Amino acid sequence: DQQVKQNSPSLSVQEGRISILNCDYTNSMFDYFLWYKKYPAEGPTFLISISSIKDKNEDGRFTVFLNKSAKHLSLHIVPSQPGDSAVYFCAALDAGKSTFGDGTTLTVKP
Amino acid sequence: NAGVTQTPKFRVLKTGQSMTLLCAQDMNHEYMYWYRQDPGMGLRLIHYSVGEGTTAKGEVPDGYNVSRLKKQNFLLGLESAAPSQTSVYFCASSTSYGYTFGSGTRLTVV
Repeated sequence: DQQVKQNSPSLSVQEGRISILNCDYTNSMFDYFLWYKKYPAEGPTFLISISSIKDKNEDGRFTVFLNKSAKHLSLHIVPSQPGDSAVYFCAALDAGKSTFGDGTTLTVKP
Repeated sequence: NAGVTQTPKFRVLKTGQSMTLLCAQDMNHEYMYWYRQDPGMGLRLIHYSVGEGTTAKGEVPDGYNVSRLKKQNFLLGLESAAPSQTSVYFCASSTSYGYTFGSGTRLTVV
């Protein structure tokens, strides 16, 4: 049973528009959530996080929303830039141990 | 720069050969992890360590062994490589609320 799911394997948006990446989870014990970005031939890099006691966290163009009742997490990128093209992983932590989604490949077209 | 360093970056093995992947971190993190990433899949945990001298099995431990003799190093061993172990391997270290990843080792077993 996959506890963290990213149901969209890919997403394509136009430069300047909003990118919305989604993540669903099943384990109600998850208490911290993170998004990572990964470029080809590089390791994942931390992007933004949110604690389960919050419903929104913002950092520049990146905003993460958490809906605990729906067990749903989303990452908004506004405005999207071609350099944002990468694979995005969501991760959920339970007592410090993480579970990753399969990733969503974002392509931002100029 | 502080971070996680993986060696080697690339390796081709013949079936049945053995090798060791080295991961080193200089952030004094207690937790270290080895993941593998295959096309279309997320990061799958192979083994992890919660401190010097400790190791534990992750999601896909078969065919791998690990050692954490020093806090800063986490070694992943393949005793008898198989084509199914062709993958990209990522090491990571963490605090309770965030991971730092290495840049990966691309291993091909022929």
